[in-house]
Amino acid sequence: GAVVSQHPSWVICKSGTSVKIECRSLDFQATTMFWYRQFPKQSLMLMATSNEGSKATYEQGVEKDKFLINHASLTLSTLTVTSAHPEDSSFYICSTSGDSNTEAFFGQGTRLTVV
Amino acid sequence: DQQVKQNSPSLSVQEGRISILNCDYTNSMFDYFLWYKKYPAEGPTFLISISSIKDKNEDGRFTVFLNKSAKHLSLHIVPSQPGDSAVYFCAASAGSGGSNYKLTFGKGTLLTVNP
Repeated sequence: GAVVSQHPSWVICKSGTSVKIECRSLDFQATTMFWYRQFPKQSLMLMATSNEGSKATYEQGVEKDKFLINHASLTLSTLTVTSAHPEDSSFYICSTSGDSNTEAFFGQGTRLTVV
Repeated sequence: DQQVKQNSPSLSVQEGRISILNCDYTNSMFDYFLWYKKYPAEGPTFLISISSIKDKNEDGRFTVFLNKSAKHLSLHIVPSQPGDSAVYFCAASAGSGGSNYKLTFGKGTLLTVNP
């Protein structure tokens, strides 16, 4: 199957700093990338949809100025958590379907801990 | 409002027996359903999917059943193996986009297969 590489797999940062998470499609073009967040014992919740070369679409309740998404190329999408706070501590994961309409491929996920 | 519900947070079965994981949904616009398996600290991996025009899809040991009138689907694993122990997520999408459209996830069910 297609490969999606997400980096870093875990990060600890101080409150008030910014963290960038990268998601790369290694062997296909990802026109659309989805960013999800999962809190403990909760489901994966969609945060935003990014399309290459255009602005991301954010789900209700997600602050676009806090979670900056850039999808400048067909193989790279980034999520930057700006001015991170402890409540932003969560598991963030990207996903794309590439050319497939039958399955979605996920990155390995990033465990963010804000102290 | 949880549109995709997995009411059993955990399930334990004996090796060789059948595992049945259940999922209910409330949004009648959902027309494509997927099951994912997730190991700790890894991203979800695709298992099997089903379109709303079908009521059954089988792939090796995995079979997904869809009951549209009851808005219910289930994943059967037979025979269950210890390596199947993981969290299983049910996901759904709407608008005939298949997996190219945003997915709505359940909270997951932790399956433990005992040797």
